[in-house]
Amino acid sequence: QSVLTQPPSVSGAPGQRVTISCTGSSSNIGAGYDVHWYQQLPGTAPKLLIYGNSNRPSGVPDRFSGSKSGTSASLAITGLQAEDEADYYCQSYDSSLSALGVFGGGTKLTVL
Amino acid sequence: EVQLVQSGAEVKKPGESLKISCKGSGYSFTSYWIGWVRQMPGKGLEWMGIIYPGDSDTRYSPSFQGQVTISADKSISTAYLQWSSLKASDTAMYYCARRPLTGSLAFDIWGQGTMVTVSS
Repeated sequence: QSVLTQPPSVSGAPGQRVTISCTGSSSNIGAGYDVHWYQQLPGTAPKLLIYGNSNRPSGVPDRFSGSKSGTSASLAITGLQAEDEADYYCQSYDSSLSALGVFGGGTKLTVL
Repeated sequence: EVQLVQSGAEVKKPGESLKISCKGSGYSFTSYWIGWVRQMPGKGLEWMGIIYPGDSDTRYSPSFQGQVTISADKSISTAYLQWSSLKASDTAMYYCARRPLTGSLAFDIWGQGTMVTVSS
């Protein structure tokens, strides 16, 4: 049972928009800690996709965007492409764990 | 090029000890924390702990406290994850990743992973 809750799976057709939610609580996201998102392509190491709730590292397409409100955060992907099929994880920090990091359970994105 | 290079895959028996490594290059090793993340087969990412190589300040997630030891040698820009007595349930992919000292606190660079298999 992860501290941050994500849907196990989402899907969309090429060109569509999908969103992935990350629900926390008052001890993590709601406490003001930033949310970060990682993309893990099959058989590879995770890669930073969004940092500080809504910032994209250099090289990440602007089809990917992040937002945060209250105790939740969301990752949106527009113009879905086949190569976006991957697992996506949110990550934040939790004051009940001495401000150590926590991950969401992960969401498998399937491009139909 | 900024990178973290991890040691190779390991196959061990229950009860054996193990130390895997993560070597940083292309940046100042003591300007970032190094974290360790576990991914069991077919499962999600789990935060294990984090170390600041500058002074070896180490923090463990409660689930991993007492189960593993994280260390670092700043003179060779290398962090370590070790077990004194492996169990079958330690079978997993282990990733190291670097995190800035301040700012967004995201893991911005990841190692390629070290697969640890524990089987009799």
